[in-house]
Amino acid sequence: GAGVSQTPSNKVTEKGKYVELRCDPISGHTALYWYRQSLGQGPEFLIYFQGTGAADDSGLPNDRFFAVRPEGSVSTLKIQRTERGDSAVYLCASSSGLAGRSEQYFGPGTRLTVT
Amino acid sequence: AQTVTQSQPEMSVQEAETVTLSCTYDTSESNYYLFWYKQPPSRQMILVIRQEAYKQQNATENRFSVNFQKAAKSFSLKISDSQLGDTAMYFCAFMKHESGNTPLVFGKGTRLSVIA
Repeated sequence: GAGVSQTPSNKVTEKGKYVELRCDPISGHTALYWYRQSLGQGPEFLIYFQGTGAADDSGLPNDRFFAVRPEGSVSTLKIQRTERGDSAVYLCASSSGLAGRSEQYFGPGTRLTVT
Repeated sequence: AQTVTQSQPEMSVQEAETVTLSCTYDTSESNYYLFWYKQPPSRQMILVIRQEAYKQQNATENRFSVNFQKAAKSFSLKISDSQLGDTAMYFCAFMKHESGNTPLVFGKGTRLSVIA
């Protein structure tokens, strides 16, 4: 596609439920990032994929959060047993992964609300 | 660990005037990238301008320019001839320079309002 897309745009779920957030990166981009943006804050890094493997998952807050990218393209962020504190905008970004081509291109985000 | 500080939570500017947004950062890295991103109410993060730390020349993109002071670890954004469409959150971001890419570290942002 022309840009990074994310679905759904908005998700409302009840505390304790499981959710999946999807990211479709720019075609050909090997690097994919997930960030979380709480209200009034800048985005915070969660996890980074290079190809199919997670190159850095140090930003995941706890073991309720998990992400996959099985074919090196689409990625899914999975949150188990959601808590009200998980409410935020979840942003996905992709880049070419080439040294010197550092720009990350962002999707419009998924706003997650946990009630 | 790297940190990015934006000390101005909100700024306003009259249309057609010039405004400067401040950003400081802390790192022990010698080579890195710095960015300014714009986030309008649509939530879409848009890259405004990028600076490579090893380049002394300040980056410029049309009405947007930066003042990069490496020794002071300062990276301010100047917007000239401000337009109503410039109204948005602006985030300063840092990225280490390594083979491949690394995650961005963002500041808390500055909300800019352009007033007609």
